[in-house]
Parts: sequence; C-alpha cells; structure tokens
Amino acid sequence: ETGVTQSPTHLIKTRGQQVTLRCSSQSGHNTVSWYQQALGQGPQFIFQYYREEENGRGNFPPRFSGLQFPNYSSELNVNALELDDSALYLCASSRDGRDGDTQYFGPGTRLTVL
Amino acid sequence: QKEVEQNSGPLSVPEGAIASLNCTYSDRGSQSFFWYRQYSGKSPELIMFIYSNGDKEDGRFTAQLNKASQYVSLLIRDSQPSDSATYLCAVVENDYKLSFGAGTTVTVRA
Repeated sequence: ETGVTQSPTHLIKTRGQQVTLRCSSQSGHNTVSWYQQALGQGPQFIFQYYREEENGRGNFPPRFSGLQFPNYSSELNVNALELDDSALYLCASSRDGRDGDTQYFGPGTRLTVL
Repeated sequence: QKEVEQNSGPLSVPEGAIASLNCTYSDRGSQSFFWYRQYSGKSPELIMFIYSNGDKEDGRFTAQLNKASQYVSLLIRDSQPSDSATYLCAVVENDYKLSFGAGTTVTVRA
C-alpha cells in the first residue's frame, strides 16, 4: 500500500454530465499528479499540483480541471463528459515534484461514461 | 511529440527463466527513469528507478540505462507466476511529468 487513497472506486456517468474525483496524498507529500489510463494503454499525464498551484499540464482540454487543498489532497473535475473519457483515473503523490522524485499511485477511480 | 516506446508483447516465458523488457525514449533531456508493474485491474506499483548509466540490481530485478542510446531495460531473473503483469516504462519529461510507454504484458508459464 502506498498511502495514497482515491474516491470513489467506480463511477458511472452519462455523456454531458460532470464528475469530481478525489485523492488524498501520502503523508509528507506535497505534490499530486493526475493521469488518465485508457484500456490497453499507458497512463497519460493530465496535470500536476505542487503546494496548491498547477505545476504543469498535459494535452487535455480545459474541461479537465483540478484543485489542490492546503492539506495537499486534490480533486479532478471533468465537465461535459464524453464517451472517450471512460478510463481509469490515477492519482500519484510525490514528496516535492522534482525530477527524480518517485511518484506513488493510488488505487484509481474507474469512470464509465454511457 | 516526445515518446516512450516499449517492446510489443505479450511476452511469455517459462517459470525460472529471464524476462527481458526494453524501452526507448525520445527526450534527450530526460534524467530519471522508472519501471512500474501493473496487475490487471490494479494501479501501477513501483518496481525500480534508475538515474545513472549502467546497471542497478534489486533482488530479482535489474534495470539497465544507456542515455547515449536513449534506452532503458528491465530484466526479471528466475521469473515466477506472480510476475505475470504489465510492465510500464516511465520517463520524466520537463522535470516533473511522467511519460509512459504502452506497457509490455508478461506471462510466466508454470
């Protein structure tokens, strides 16, 4: 166990709806990264938060947004859900987000969009 | 588009054999490299990280890095059925984000 938790475990939504996914980082970690993993593919970087600020973003549209709280937990929000958003959403925490800092993954949230 | 490529699987090896996994990357500026193991339906778990050229051993696992050739590999010695999983190569880009390959699925035959 990495100490990174995510909720909910599974979620079913319909196209056009909005969803919020949550992540609690490992104790002592101030950086959270979010990834999307479609079936049969490697995880794709969505964005990273370091000390409540967005530290970088991957090639995802603005309807993917996030937030990090003072306790370093984080949320991923997705608006106007599309069928292609169906995936495993992974949160990873790390000590300070620097190069070489190991990222530890939570169990993920499986999102299905119908 | 920076890329991480892994050898296509699936890779099937008999129990006790060596499984060899390969990964190439395009970003010459990358300095940190990771191997994660992912069981079906689960999240990735860290196996090893490597930063310097050469070999790094941890138990039955050996990671090899050659920055000049932009190549990183993972050897699994004395493969066990519990090693059956998808192995993900990850490269740090732009100093903070992990870029993953598509993964290589390994099946260890008893």
